[in-house]
Amino acid sequence: GQSLEQPSEVTAVEGAIVQINCTYQTSGFYGLSWYQQHDGGAPTFLSYNALDGLEETGRFSSFLSRSDSYGYLLLQELQMKDSASYFCAVRGNFKTIFGAGTRLFVKA
Amino acid sequence: DAEITQSPRHKITETGRQVTLACHQTWNHNNMFWYRQDLGHGLRLIHHSYGVQDTNKGEVSDGYSVSRSNTEDLPLTLESAASSQTSVYFCASSEFTDGPYEQYFGPGTRLTVT
Repeated sequence: GQSLEQPSEVTAVEGAIVQINCTYQTSGFYGLSWYQQHDGGAPTFLSYNALDGLEETGRFSSFLSRSDSYGYLLLQELQMKDSASYFCAVRGNFKTIFGAGTRLFVKA
Repeated sequence: DAEITQSPRHKITETGRQVTLACHQTWNHNNMFWYRQDLGHGLRLIHHSYGVQDTNKGEVSDGYSVSRSNTEDLPLTLESAASSQTSVYFCASSEFTDGPYEQYFGPGTRLTVT
């Protein structure tokens, strides 16, 4: 079967760095994506990793290790507006699945 | 600017009624998706379409149907609404055939079945 695991909640202080982990189990693997969703809003695409390594986009970076079936999203210089839910998503051989989401609380 | 819209944004219906949720995109994407989002479950795929007249069931397709007659629209029909279908429904589109390449999501429809 296919499954994704990510922490349900993470709390961090404004200006800090936070890492949100995602482990997956799939039949086949095409890539790992990350989406952000603010309360009441729609998910918006943040990043995509198909190969091992780190992808950086501004304050956000995403990492993938295919051998470990593991990835993470790294948020630097946290801002209050980063308070949201973050979903990892994986495409396997037959379908795309999303994780249940990690709710990030940024405190002043 | 290209966009993806959903209507209605909120809907209350009674058990047993047929309900259709609309999704319209102007990205000219071949690929469109319907998801439902429930607390603790993230996004679960209901149906996806790779092009006109091409639809495929997702992991939670029971009680739902879709039909793709043009590139822009993918309406989702609940044949006989059940209370278990109370949820937030998101439509998405993508340029790429296989996900999870970047998907553009609509604003969502909050459906309540009483």
